[in-house]
Amino acid sequence: AQKVTQAQTEISVVEKEDVTLDCVYETRDTTYYLFWYKQPPSGELVFLIRRNSFDEQNEISGRYSWNFQKSTSSFNFTITASQVVDSAVYFCALSEEWADSSYKLIFGSGTRLLVRP
Amino acid sequence: EAQVTQNPRYLITVTGKKLTVTCSQNMNHEYMSWYRQDPGLGLRQIYYSMNVEVTDKGDVPEGYKVSRKEKRNFPLILESPSPNQTSLYFCASSLSPRGTKELFFGEGSRLTVL
Repeated sequence: AQKVTQAQTEISVVEKEDVTLDCVYETRDTTYYLFWYKQPPSGELVFLIRRNSFDEQNEISGRYSWNFQKSTSSFNFTITASQVVDSAVYFCALSEEWADSSYKLIFGSGTRLLVRP
Repeated sequence: EAQVTQNPRYLITVTGKKLTVTCSQNMNHEYMSWYRQDPGLGLRQIYYSMNVEVTDKGDVPEGYKVSRKEKRNFPLILESPSPNQTSLYFCASSLSPRGTKELFFGEGSRLTVL
């Protein structure tokens, strides 16, 4: 069965600090997809990244970077030089390509990041 | 503009009074889904649909119904709402019929059941 664990419920940092949000997943499928979404205080859900299980290359987009490690079933998200605008709830999610006729998309419980000025 | 539109955005109702939350997308997406968001529980999938007339249960389907008669619409029906269905609801759609591509979310519908 699919499962996504975001053990950090809430993180508070001071502006300009680096911060890493952890995501650990469970799946029996060999082909799967991992996602990160951001939910700012305004409430909408914003897509950040999608990674398939065959692509373990780390990705960097500006101040954001993602570290995908199949060996530890983790897909961690790092924000470098955090800013107040990064304050949000961040969700990690997992979907499977060949699930047993069930194509659910499972989200973690989210990590609330507070960046203080 | 590509979007997922949910209505109503806010609703207060009473136990047992049937209600429908509409969802419409204009991107010709195959996959549509409903989630509820509750504090500490993240987003939990209620129902999803891979195409017209194809729907399936997510993790928390009890108390909800859906239908997919047209590709663009995926309404969520609460036949007899109860207070434990008070939540923030999101509709989403995806180009991939299995939901393996990026999800586009609606703005959310905050429902309170008294």
